[in-house]
Order: sequence, then structure tokens, then C-alpha cells
Amino acid sequence: ETGVTQSPTHLIKTRGQQVTLRCSSQSGHNTVSWYQQALGQGPQFIFQYYREEENGRGNFPPRFSGLQFPNYSSELNVNALELDDSALYLCASSFRGQGQDTQYFGPGTRLTVL
Amino acid sequence: GIQVEQSPPDLILQEGANSTLRCNFSDSVNNLQWFHQNPWGQLINLFYIPSGTKQNGRLSATTVATERYSLLYISSSQTTDSGVYFCAVEPTGGFKTIFGAGTRLFVKA
Repeated sequence: ETGVTQSPTHLIKTRGQQVTLRCSSQSGHNTVSWYQQALGQGPQFIFQYYREEENGRGNFPPRFSGLQFPNYSSELNVNALELDDSALYLCASSFRGQGQDTQYFGPGTRLTVL
Repeated sequence: GIQVEQSPPDLILQEGANSTLRCNFSDSVNNLQWFHQNPWGQLINLFYIPSGTKQNGRLSATTVATERYSLLYISSSQTTDSGVYFCAVEPTGGFKTIFGAGTRLFVKA
């Protein structure tokens, strides 16, 4: 059973650019959630995808968007990067159903916006 | 929206000591998880515990859903227990997970 993986590990961008972060779900999982974690804070929920459709979203602007693919891997896209977007971005996968939606996290992508 | 409060915010222990971390939440939840974040940022799942009590080695957790709190017990702490402990909940009727601000634990040798 493979765990959740994310790429790249680190990324440096400049303000105004666009970025795509990738996540491969744990084998057998059908749900992926994305989080933003600023330094010294708890993770903040961005959105969740279930069977390729967004089914929950946090307080993030539309320039944060995502995709989930048939193999349940996922992308997070951020347009028009701002300095405050600098953070650790975490992906979590789970199996929604059967009453136990335990989330398993990837190692994260650390994004720096200059 | 739902509020999740963790206490204490910071905790320093001598190796071998026991501790209790608390998570209060302001509304009913579908599920609750406890995580440990290591110094490299990796979030490790400790317990999925929307109600009841579970134990795993030196760690145990109890959630009293009707009173809207959960407790994480760490016994015989080790230096490798250092890091940040998060409680995360999914409110009833919603598909979003809300994290508390965490408890930062440092265990001294």
C-alpha cells in the first residue's frame, strides 16, 4: 500500500505567477483534500474533491482551484500569486464511505512567493 | 462556523512524564482526528475518534461528543514525542475539516 505523495517538495515563485502542485492519493482512496499551513498555525482547509467533483470549500478566493483525476490523483492550482500565499501546502486522502473518513497526509509542498 | 480550541498552547515536559491535551469544539461533528506534526512538517494520524476511547501504546484518546471535547493522553513521554499536536473536526452536515491551533510539546531528556 503506497502512501500519499506530493510534488514538488519545495518551490519558489514570484508575485503574480501561477503554480501547480500535485498529489497522489493513497491506494484505494476516493477523496482528496487540500490545506494551506502558514508558519506557526494550524492547517486551513482549501477544498475537497470526491469522485472528481469539488464537494466542500473553505474561505479561499477563486484563484485557488483544483482538479481530481480518474485515478484519484489531484492538482492544486493557484493563480496570481501573492506574498501571503507563501506556506506549506498539504494534501490528504481518505476513503469516504463506511463511516470512517480517516485522512492521511502527504509530506507537503513548501511554496515561497517572492 | 465551528470553533476548535486546543489547550494548553505550549507544554514542556521532562522525559517520562505524563500529559493530557484537550480539544474543545463548539458544535456537533461527524468525525474527529488527532495528529502529530513532526519537525519536518509531516502530519501523522494518531486517532480517528468521533466518540469513545481508543488506545495505541503510550497514547490514548477519549472523545465525549455530547459535551464537545476530546482528550489526548501521552504517558511516559519520550523526546521523540516532541512536535505539534492537532485536533481536527468535520462539522455535522459539512465536508470541510477544521483544525485547532495546536499544542506545541517539547520533551526534555
